[in-house]
Amino acid sequence: TQLLEQSPQFLSIQEGENLTVYCNSSSVFSSLQWYRQEPGEGPVLLVTVVTGGEVKKLKRLTFQFGDARKDSSLHITAAQPGDTGLYLCAGGSNSGYALNFGKGTSLLVTP
Amino acid sequence: ETGVTQSPTHLIKTRGQQVTLRCSSQSGHNTVSWYQQALGQGPQFIFQYYREEENGRGNFPPRFSGLQFPNYSSELNVNALELDDSALYLCASSLGIARETQYFGPGTRLLVL
Repeated sequence: TQLLEQSPQFLSIQEGENLTVYCNSSSVFSSLQWYRQEPGEGPVLLVTVVTGGEVKKLKRLTFQFGDARKDSSLHITAAQPGDTGLYLCAGGSNSGYALNFGKGTSLLVTP
Repeated sequence: ETGVTQSPTHLIKTRGQQVTLRCSSQSGHNTVSWYQQALGQGPQFIFQYYREEENGRGNFPPRFSGLQFPNYSSELNVNALELDDSALYLCASSLGIARETQYFGPGTRLLVL
């Protein structure tokens, strides 16, 4: 099993602050995906990164895939209360069909 | 385009009972994957169905079984329920297998007493 570790586990910040969350593994992944999950709902895909060193931007969110394709980060600029949720990273497994998820970072942004 | 739907939304069962959860895949998607998400954890892969056949399985016992129908909808069956089976069960659909983007439904919250 390819394990993904996410840090921090919990993060509480005020509106307007910047933050970075991390997703690390000792395994190489063919791709990494970031999801946001709100209470009572399923995960919603934010982005997929495929190439080592790749950087993708989605409005105030910046995603980076490590050069060795073992880690990724998500940076949020000027966080808003609407960013509150559980941020999950998931890696494509060697088998190709399963997604291996980390435990997630629970983010709370207060006004 | 209809997204992934799941039923029921919530369910309460007692230990030893059996449960069936249902999933309708997104229009045009022929692959369904099931995940179990315990409280405070990330989703864990249970199995995947592609064109009505099991395509892969995670580390779950045989009392977790599934079906996929010709219209690509799917069922997850769990026999002899245990307390630890209490979790959010997520269904995800995708077009094809292997590294395809998976779209998740809202999940079914199962509580086993």
